[in-house]
Amino acid sequence: KQEVTQIPAALSVPEGENLVLNCSFTDSAIYNLQWFRQDPGKGLTSLLLIQSSQREQTSGRLNASLDKSSGRSTLYIAASQPGDSATYLCAVRGSSNTGKLIFGQGTTLQVKP
Amino acid sequence: DAGVIQSPRHEVTEMGQEVTLRCKPISGHNSLFWYRQTMMRGLELLIYFNNNVPIDDSGMPEDRFSAKMPNASFSTLKIQPSEPRDSAVYFCASRTSGVTDTQYFGPGTRLTVL
Repeated sequence: KQEVTQIPAALSVPEGENLVLNCSFTDSAIYNLQWFRQDPGKGLTSLLLIQSSQREQTSGRLNASLDKSSGRSTLYIAASQPGDSATYLCAVRGSSNTGKLIFGQGTTLQVKP
Repeated sequence: DAGVIQSPRHEVTEMGQEVTLRCKPISGHNSLFWYRQTMMRGLELLIYFNNNVPIDDSGMPEDRFSAKMPNASFSTLKIQPSEPRDSAVYFCASRTSGVTDTQYFGPGTRLTVL
């Protein structure tokens, strides 16, 4: 059974810092991995999607990497801003035969001005 | 596009009452997902549909929960009878199969069962 873990559960950093959020999964046979952002009281917004054949994806100040063999992904946020404060969740899709996503518990990030 | 639309946004009901949550997916999307989010269990998939057909309902907690998708633009999640432990935020998401594979989430329905 696939399990997804995110560490740390919470993180507080001063504005301008570069930071890394971690995601690990127990079954390396995944189809893809996504990183989402969730603001308080809101739904999830997809940030980056990495296919199993890819090593990384970039969007603006965000960079996500995937090491399937070790069951790990990282989300790198450069030059953090207060507006980055949110909960970040990673989710894995097991195969092309299922649309089911397994989510981690998330990392709640606070960027202080 | 208006995005995924869910109603109601908030629902407070008493134990034993029937609750119906509604979702309108993004036009043209052929997959629809119902999730439940709680502090204890995080975000869990309850059921998902492809082309209006239920594909995986293994996450539906018990027979009190049922979901339907009568057409491509509407889905319901029903809880009957409701219990306090059903209190959670329920999200609907939709997706179109293709290169991006991204799910688009609605704003959620916050359910409180007293």
